Amino acid sequence: EDKVVQSPLSLVVHEGDTVTLNCSYEVTNFRSLLWYKQEKKAPTFLFMLTSSGIEKKSGRLSSILDKKELFSILNITATQTGDSAIYLCAVENSGGSYIPTFGRGTSLIVHP
Amino acid sequence: DAGVIQSPRHEVTEMGQEVTLRCKPISGHNSLFWYRQTMMRGLELLIYFNNNVPIDDSGMPEDRFSAKMPNASFSTLKIQPSEPRDSAVYFCASSLIGPGETQYFGPGTRLLVL
Repeated sequence: EDKVVQSPLSLVVHEGDTVTLNCSYEVTNFRSLLWYKQEKKAPTFLFMLTSSGIEKKSGRLSSILDKKELFSILNITATQTGDSAIYLCAVENSGGSYIPTFGRGTSLIVHP
Repeated sequence: DAGVIQSPRHEVTEMGQEVTLRCKPISGHNSLFWYRQTMMRGLELLIYFNNNVPIDDSGMPEDRFSAKMPNASFSTLKIQPSEPRDSAVYFCASSLIGPGETQYFGPGTRLLVL
């Protein structure tokens, strides 16, 4: 059974801080790892990672995958209150069904 | 594009009542997913359709839950009879299956069963 574990479960920081969110996984036939941001409503897509060591970047957010150690990190630099959200990590296996397995998420609160 | 559309956005019902949640996927997407999200269990996949055919319903909790996709633009998730433990946010997501594609989530239906 595919498994995704995220840490920490929750994080409270001040604006301007840098945070690192962790995602470790166990999956048969890894295809991709996905990061989502969920504010008050539905998750919105951030990154898809398929190759080790290649950083994906979008503004202050960046993510990297280590397929040998089976984990990914999501970094947010110079955090803002608008970064407050639940960050979800999911992995897809390549068994043909493209069904992602989600972690429980990390709840990030950024105080002004 | 309007994105994935779900209705209702909120529903409060009494235990034992039938609940029907509706989803309209993004036009052209060939896969549709129903998820349930709770504080205790996080985001759980309930069922997945590909080209309107249910592919994997192993996440459906029990016989009280059923899902249909009569055509490419509409799906329902039904709970009959509902129980308080069914209270959750139910998300519908759609995608175009293929390398590099990802899922797009609807706004969710927040269900409260009293």
